[in-house]
Amino acid sequence: EADIYQTPRYLVIGTGKKITLECSQTMGHDKMYWYQQDPGMELHLIHYSYGVNSTEKGDLSSESTVSRIRTEHFPLTLESARPSHTSQYLCASSGRLQGFYEKLFFGSGTQLSVL
Amino acid sequence: AQTVTQSQPEMSVQEAETVTLSCTYDTSENNYYLFWYKQPPSRQMILVIRQEAYKQQNATENRFSVNFQKAAKSFSLKISDSQLGDTAMYFCAFMKRNTGNQFYFGTGTSLTVIP
Repeated sequence: EADIYQTPRYLVIGTGKKITLECSQTMGHDKMYWYQQDPGMELHLIHYSYGVNSTEKGDLSSESTVSRIRTEHFPLTLESARPSHTSQYLCASSGRLQGFYEKLFFGSGTQLSVL
Repeated sequence: AQTVTQSQPEMSVQEAETVTLSCTYDTSENNYYLFWYKQPPSRQMILVIRQEAYKQQNATENRFSVNFQKAAKSFSLKISDSQLGDTAMYFCAFMKRNTGNQFYFGTGTSLTVIP
């Protein structure tokens, strides 16, 4: 059922490089999210979007930026990667109701390692 | 391919009672983690409990415990002495331990604790 895709799944790059993590969903969801996972396995919300041209920062401060030019696409960009950016990044989208909540669909994640 | 199934879209429980949320998964991997995450309306994702596949002993965190049946590929979450603050969406997740640390999430169970 999951129609949300993240690429690449694994990325190893050097310090100072600009990178973009891609996230696309084919479900027509308005809401999309980026989570960062710390080594303790907690997921922290770093960005979210409630629709085209709408982006907000989440609970965890992040040097990354996002854009939402199209409904289906929510890329995350790091202008100058540093080792402290090494983490797992998970993209999600929501749009269908399940009880009081909207069903959340997750991508498989991108494991970023900055050397 | 890995899949995670949560067959209970919505559940409710009386305050102070016990409730069990079901999760099954399908994989041919031997090295993996299983997680339960709680998502309140704020969109945060709170790690409730995790289980390493090679450990036979069921994980326990205060009022939360799991019943991990590796052969049956089942990973249920038991919440004892339910509290109003337990009302949330609960996601079961599987993480394949390889170079990409790929995540697979269930579609969630909406739990309501009734006063």
